[in-house]
Formats: sequence, structure tokens, C-alpha cells
Amino acid sequence: QQQVKQSPQSLIVQKGGIPIINCAYENTAFDYFPWYQQFPGKGPALLIAIRPDVSEKKEGRFTISFNKSAKQFSLHIMDSQPGDSATYFCAASLSSNTGKLIFGQGTTLQVKP
Amino acid sequence: NAGVTQTPKFRVLKTGQSMTLLCAQDMNHEYMYWYRQDPGMGLRLIHYSVGEGTTAKGEVPDGYNVSRLKKQNFLLGLESAAPSQTSVYFCASSSTRGAGSPLHFGNGTRLTVT
Repeated sequence: QQQVKQSPQSLIVQKGGIPIINCAYENTAFDYFPWYQQFPGKGPALLIAIRPDVSEKKEGRFTISFNKSAKQFSLHIMDSQPGDSATYFCAASLSSNTGKLIFGQGTTLQVKP
Repeated sequence: NAGVTQTPKFRVLKTGQSMTLLCAQDMNHEYMYWYRQDPGMGLRLIHYSVGEGTTAKGEVPDGYNVSRLKKQNFLLGLESAAPSQTSVYFCASSSTRGAGSPLHFGNGTRLTVT
């Protein structure tokens, strides 16, 4: 009941494309859903996060879509750039303790020039 | 402003050896965490601390011990290393544990146990 399942495992798109990464969670008590971005040799860094009281959140070219009834959320990257090539992790937690994250398996994104 | 610094960056151990990983943060954060990252499994929480002198178990605590004697430091110990502990270890800190307070991660320690 604690799992967060992420897909796909890897993704290759052309520059300007819109990669979409999907996550599904099981624990209905979770109410904080962040996405972290990780470059090779670095630690993850928070990209964007959403609470279940909204269905969509945008920050620049990054958008989270959230479907509470389906227990799913996804990350869309508009006008993707080679610099977006990284590993992306979705995660979930209780908003009262957002350091205790349950992470998805990760998606390695490559954006070709 | 260094953020979160992890020492060492790389280490190779033989089965049964012990070692301590050091995490230091200069942001005066109250909360600190140790995660391990394995291929195809994402990151999993090992132990965490909500303040100086406190520690608590995370998702995968077996085989590890931690200490938080000073607010800025969080140590992760392996008393008798096993090949299953081969992983990349990340330390993180946050100012609070509520929503809106992101985790700040270090750059990791790559540990290989042979």
C-alpha cells in the first residue's frame, strides 16, 4: 500500500517534443506529490510539487496533472530541450511529513537535439 | 554556501567491514534524512532525524545505524557491510517537515561491498 509505480523506465524524444511520465500510488492518505530531477553524479532536486486539491499545476515548461479518483499523476515537459535530459522521480508522502517520501522507480529521459 | 556535503564520495568495502558516512549541512535545517538509491527501485528512506539528538527508522533501516550529535551533522554507519548494501547513498535536509519545504540533497556516496 506504500508503493508508487512510475512509467516508463526510459524515454527518448526529439527537441521540442512533449515527454510524459506517469505515476500511480496506492495509499489514499498521501497528500503531497513532488517530482524530483536528477542529473548524473548529482543528488535529486525538487522540480515541482502538487497537492490533491488541484488537478493541474504549471511551473514554466513543467506541468503536473493529477487525477485523485484514479490515484494517478503525471509530469509533462513542454517544448523539451536537450538540457532536460535527466532522471525524473515522482514521489508521494503525507503533507505533515514531506521528508518521508516514497519514490517511484525513476524515468531516464533523453532529449535529442 | 555549500548546502549538503557528503563524505566520502566513493568507497569500496569488503564484506564484514564497517564504515561511517558523514553528512554535513550549513543551512541550519532541523530535519535530516538518509536515502539509498538502487537501479529500478528509486530512492528508499533508511533513517531520519527531526532534530539534534533524535533519530527514527525509515523504510529500510536494517543493517544501518545513525547518529545526530550536532544539528549540522548526520552520520550513517554500517557495522558489518554486506553486498546487498552496495548502493548510492544520499543525505538530505529540510527546514521543516511540512509541504512547501523541499528536500536538499547532497551529491551522494557510491559504496561498493565486495
